[in-house]
Amino acid sequence: AQRVTQPEKLLSVFKGAPVELKCNYSYSGSPELFWYVQYSRQRLQLLLRHISRESIKGFTADLNKGETSFHLKKPFAQEEDSAMYYCALVDSNYQLIWGAGTKLIIKP
Amino acid sequence: KAGVTQTPRYLIKTRGQQVTLSCSPISGHRSVSWYQQTPGQGLQFLFEYFSETQRNKGNFPGRFSGRQFSNSRSEMNVSTLELGDSALYLCASSEGLARLSYEQYFGPGTRLTVT
Repeated sequence: AQRVTQPEKLLSVFKGAPVELKCNYSYSGSPELFWYVQYSRQRLQLLLRHISRESIKGFTADLNKGETSFHLKKPFAQEEDSAMYYCALVDSNYQLIWGAGTKLIIKP
Repeated sequence: KAGVTQTPRYLIKTRGQQVTLSCSPISGHRSVSWYQQTPGQGLQFLFEYFSETQRNKGNFPGRFSGRQFSNSRSEMNVSTLELGDSALYLCASSEGLARLSYEQYFGPGTRLTVT
């Protein structure tokens, strides 16, 4: 079955430290993957998608087909990065499948 | 541009009743997708409408239905409500079909509580 796994429900790091939010997927074929973010009291919004190979707010995510991973990384965490992060995959039925989400807390 | 709006924001219903939720997409967006979010199951895709046609449907019972109007506004209906239908229902709009990786813009959600 196609699935997105975010193994960490909660991740807490200090400001200035590197951040890595893990996302693993199961999908046969070339996946379309996304990271969405929800800041406190704000709506869910797209952070980045792998096809764009972009860096948004200092975050990057590289697709690793061998490890079936799409981890989200940022070299130096900032307090405003505290939020809920969701990894999502477009499955073979063209539906978005979501991970359970990781709550990121940046400690001052 | 105004963002995606959803009405009502909060709703309390009794088991067995039916409910209709509304979503107004961003102007110019033709696709509207609906999601159910619960603590236990997380975010789950319900269906997607594009140009008044349902283009995709998730794995939900037939009690969940929807429609889209010519102005792209969409409604979602749940009949014979069950306690397990209590959830946050999110609507998202995009310029094109989600399958084509168009960015989805989410509304604030409707919090449905079934008692």
